[in-house]
Amino acid sequence: EAGVVQSPRYKIIEKKQPVAFWCNPISGHNTLYWYLQNLGQGPELLIRYENEEAVDDSQLPKDRFSAERLKGVDSTLKIQPAELGDSAVYLCASSSSRANHQETYEQYFGPGTRLTVT
Amino acid sequence: GQNIDQPTEMTATEGAIVQINCTYQTSGFNGLFWYQQHAGEAPTFLSYNVLDGLEEKGRFSSFLSRSKGYSYLLLKELQMKDSASYLCAVKGYSTLTFGKGTMLLVSP
Repeated sequence: EAGVVQSPRYKIIEKKQPVAFWCNPISGHNTLYWYLQNLGQGPELLIRYENEEAVDDSQLPKDRFSAERLKGVDSTLKIQPAELGDSAVYLCASSSSRANHQETYEQYFGPGTRLTVT
Repeated sequence: GQNIDQPTEMTATEGAIVQINCTYQTSGFNGLFWYQQHAGEAPTFLSYNVLDGLEEKGRFSSFLSRSKGYSYLLLKELQMKDSASYLCAVKGYSTLTFGKGTMLLVSP
């Protein structure tokens, strides 16, 4: 079974430029998450989707960040314009609300996109 | 909100046992997760506790005390490949909140 796929893996852009990240979750997972992870820190939730609906975007800086999950499968996260402080790893994760018999609802993470803003 | 504390860094020797502690204060609790993250890689699931007690899975065990807001991850028979960051994460009403992670360095 394929895991969570993200692209690109690395991106270097100049400040004020736009950038977009793409995520394909595990097949059948209806919940999708975007996290931001700074060096030496744990992941911080940006937005959570249940199918195509954004159910928690309270931590998403909406003045420059946007996200979409058309058709409830793939998702894109966009930053426009990027700032120096946006340099970080952007992680996508997915989970199934129909938990397995262990009832863990564990999240499966993609490899992340490392963004460097210069 | 959630507040999660874990040590920043720990060192141990190959073959030894190490315990990584995590304390938390939450407004809602629906389970505690431990994830392992190697440098430059995605976090991977290690364990899940929702009831008090010890969960054992091979060389790794995780303990939870809900009344004390406390958990630990126990790693036995340490191997060099166990050098990684270990993330404690608490599930609230609907989302996971992660601690900053404990960087474990295993030396020969």
